[in-house]
Amino acid sequence: EIVMTQSPATLSVSPGERATLSCRASQSVSSNLAWYQQKPGQAPRLLIYDASTRATGIPARFSGSGSGTEFTLTISSLQSEDFAVYFCQQYHNWPPYIFGQGTKLEIK
Amino acid sequence: QVQLQQWGAGLLKPSETLSLTCAVYGASFSDYYWSWIRQSPGKGLEWIGEIRHSGSTNYNPSFKSRVSISVDKSRNQFSLRLTSMTAADTAVYYCASARYARLDFWGQGTLVTVSS
Repeated sequence: EIVMTQSPATLSVSPGERATLSCRASQSVSSNLAWYQQKPGQAPRLLIYDASTRATGIPARFSGSGSGTEFTLTISSLQSEDFAVYFCQQYHNWPPYIFGQGTKLEIK
Repeated sequence: QVQLQQWGAGLLKPSETLSLTCAVYGASFSDYYWSWIRQSPGKGLEWIGEIRHSGSTNYNPSFKSRVSISVDKSRNQFSLRLTSMTAADTAVYYCASARYARLDFWGQGTLVTVSS
């Protein structure tokens, strides 16, 4: 089974700055990777799919890159509403869908 | 806009069976796979299984012996049954829609606590 590892576990960034979150797969998942944002008390929300395609309604400051085993989610200029937990998920070999353990993005 | 609304019992005793239902609004039931996912502090997000409108299912091997997902096409609903619940199954359970294997719409979540 593929293992998804996210780093760092917690990232502290100031509003207006850039945030870079990483996700690594234990074996190649091609570009079959999604990113989700989750705020306290809410369900996850799809941000990015196919590694780099923004979901409907997602602001352009969110971008995804990578393929194979290394992926990055970049938030170009952090807004207050962006502080949340972010998860990656592979869907190259499914079922099952496998999620990373999450990165908490907190205000510095 | 697709909306998913879920409901079911939130407090169970050990060995009891979890039953949750998710109603789908604003989507063609045949266009998606319909999934159940759970989230606990210890294990993060775990995908439990999915069903298509045809009734065909895929399950996470971790749950395969205990899980059953069914669909009621006439009501645009799908349901989860998870037997032999233990404290380790305490989690927030979500229903979600999946198209091309990405989970694009989610229910609001149901906190399920297993305690004697």
